[in-house]
Amino acid sequence: SQQGEEDPQALSIQEGENATMNCSYKTSINNLQWYRQNSGRGLVHLILIRSNEREKHSGRLRVTLDTSKKSSSLLITASRAADTASYFCATPPSGNTGKLIFGQGTTLQVKP
Amino acid sequence: EAGVVQSPRYKIIEKKQPVAFWCNPISGHNTLYWYRQNLGQGPELLIRYENEEAVDDSQLPKDRFSAERLKGVDSTLKIQPAELGDSAVYLCASSFSGRALEQFFGPGTRLTVL
Repeated sequence: SQQGEEDPQALSIQEGENATMNCSYKTSINNLQWYRQNSGRGLVHLILIRSNEREKHSGRLRVTLDTSKKSSSLLITASRAADTASYFCATPPSGNTGKLIFGQGTTLQVKP
Repeated sequence: EAGVVQSPRYKIIEKKQPVAFWCNPISGHNTLYWYRQNLGQGPELLIRYENEEAVDDSQLPKDRFSAERLKGVDSTLKIQPAELGDSAVYLCASSFSGRALEQFFGPGTRLTVL
């Protein structure tokens, strides 16, 4: 079963534009994480936001969390061709911080 | 620092054949995970180890899948016999025990069952 659902499933933008991806989840969480997966590669951890945080930044990444709506967004500013990848949100089930449940992902294509 | 190592990277077998995947986690990481990722989907946890102990194997199809982590370091995931529906990417990940917040993933093994 998958807890998170990303939206949109696919996104295509021009280099330099911003990309926004959304994630909705079903149960209460302690934290929410975003991962990136380049084609044919493993996943790379991008950022973690805790349930008591509303916004977090890391370089060109900005993550927001709205626990009342059970949703999160990932914003990539000034996108580059190298940002082309699939992006997944992941959450640990309540009471089980050792486990992550991943969404289906958003496939981002950044055209040069 | 070396990352999570997996082998083989690709495997093609016929149905009903056995197959095994190997994973070497990052040095010092006590927690090891095996995930299966179907095409166009996110990874789904198969089994999680804390050192040598399998602490979460609820999603592992135990009739044909088995895993072991002897000595609490390397791990092997086996499928016997393989079915067509087992075609997927099998990912291994590791993390510090008690800090399972950030997981480090290997490149995965892409399995094709014909």
